Amino acid sequence: ETGVTQTPRHLVMGMTNKKSLKCEQHLGHNAMYWYKQSAKKPLELMFVYSLEERVENNSVPSRFSPECPNSSHLFLHLHTLQPEDSALYLCASSQEGYPGAYEQYFGPGTRLTVT
Amino acid sequence: GIQVEQSPPDLILQEGANSTLRCNFSDSVNNLQWFHQNPWGQLINLFYIPSGTKQNGRLSATTVATERYSLLYISSSQTTDSGVYFCAVERAGANSKLTFGKGITLSVRP
Repeated sequence: ETGVTQTPRHLVMGMTNKKSLKCEQHLGHNAMYWYKQSAKKPLELMFVYSLEERVENNSVPSRFSPECPNSSHLFLHLHTLQPEDSALYLCASSQEGYPGAYEQYFGPGTRLTVT
Repeated sequence: GIQVEQSPPDLILQEGANSTLRCNFSDSVNNLQWFHQNPWGQLINLFYIPSGTKQNGRLSATTVATERYSLLYISSSQTTDSGVYFCAVERAGANSKLTFGKGITLSVRP
């Protein structure tokens, strides 16, 4: 138990569906992240939110839409996905500081399959 | 961007053996973390170690920031140590952005 929860743990969706992934952190952190982990690839950072504002968007396709309503919750809204978007989606949180963010803690992930 | 290389890519050990996992990185870093990913995908924090040496039970880690590498030592390995070990670094000045290596797949056999 890392203090970061994700739901659902598994999701199967068609290419025309709309779904959302949810992440919640109970650590009092002020930064949250979405990562994508595809088979045989390193984790890729998708989005970073610091103090509820998006500060990083690593050229992610618009079919992925993040939302951070407060410092404890993070969503990833999905629509019109492609089969190559099938992957493990991981959420993380950390405490922002100077010179940079400190230790990141990860949730258990949502395993997404797009059919 | 910063490059992170981990070696060896795969490692097979007999239970009770010791091992050293290596992480090389190409630039100065503010942050370096070692993670263990279990078979269910959960990333478990092992060490936050931008420099120096830390120990936690059978695991220890050393980062020599000036030479741009970090080592993770596993002693008296157990089957539960199996999984993928990731090194992740945050380049100095690249706030909040962790770059991960490709990971080292460790299999510990009974």
